[in-house]
Amino acid sequence: SQQGEEDPQALSIQEGENATMNCSYKTSINNLQWYRQNSGRGLVHLILIRSNEREKHSGRLRVTLDTSKKSSSLLITASRAADTASYFCATDGRSQGAQKLVFGQGTRLTINP
Amino acid sequence: NAGVTQTPKFQVLKTGQSMTLQCAQDMNHNSMYWYRQDPGMGLRLIYYSASEGTTDKGEVPNGYNVSRLNKREFSLRLESAAPSQTSVYFCASSEALVAGVQETQYFGPGTRLLVL
Repeated sequence: SQQGEEDPQALSIQEGENATMNCSYKTSINNLQWYRQNSGRGLVHLILIRSNEREKHSGRLRVTLDTSKKSSSLLITASRAADTASYFCATDGRSQGAQKLVFGQGTRLTINP
Repeated sequence: NAGVTQTPKFQVLKTGQSMTLQCAQDMNHNSMYWYRQDPGMGLRLIYYSASEGTTDKGEVPNGYNVSRLNKREFSLRLESAAPSQTSVYFCASSEALVAGVQETQYFGPGTRLLVL
């Protein structure tokens, strides 16, 4: 079963606007990661946030983690056409021995020029 | 460094045929993974190898076998392909687990498989 669930499934915004995607998960984790996938390509790691962190920044990306609510959000500020992609959260499931990542179904983000 | 490479990029099989998907990484990673991605399903783990010499089943292992040939290479075999195995297959690798914590995974470009 999927550990992470992204919301919304699809998001369409105008270039320059901010995009927010959410992820919820079910079990305790060591860390949560966000990945991006351009159409027809493999996944690319964006950012990792550990369970003892609440917020992390990387360029135009801002990730928050609320372990009490078992949720995370990814904010992309000042969006660009090149940000059009699918975004996935992934968790390592501490109770599963953290041997592997479990991915959500993804949010498909479209940036309109 | 090439990172994670996969061959072939595309493949068409008939039901019942067999094939092996190849994956190699040049980052000296200990752990390697095989996923399949279907529309609306996200990525599902088929098999993984936490370290050289070990392999374990993931979420959807039925119909597949794997071989961790050496530290660099991790192959996925379909012994008797079925239409339900039509998918995009991704290989990934990561560094050795640190105190049981999963770190960043690096993905290959994928293999698109169509089973008729």
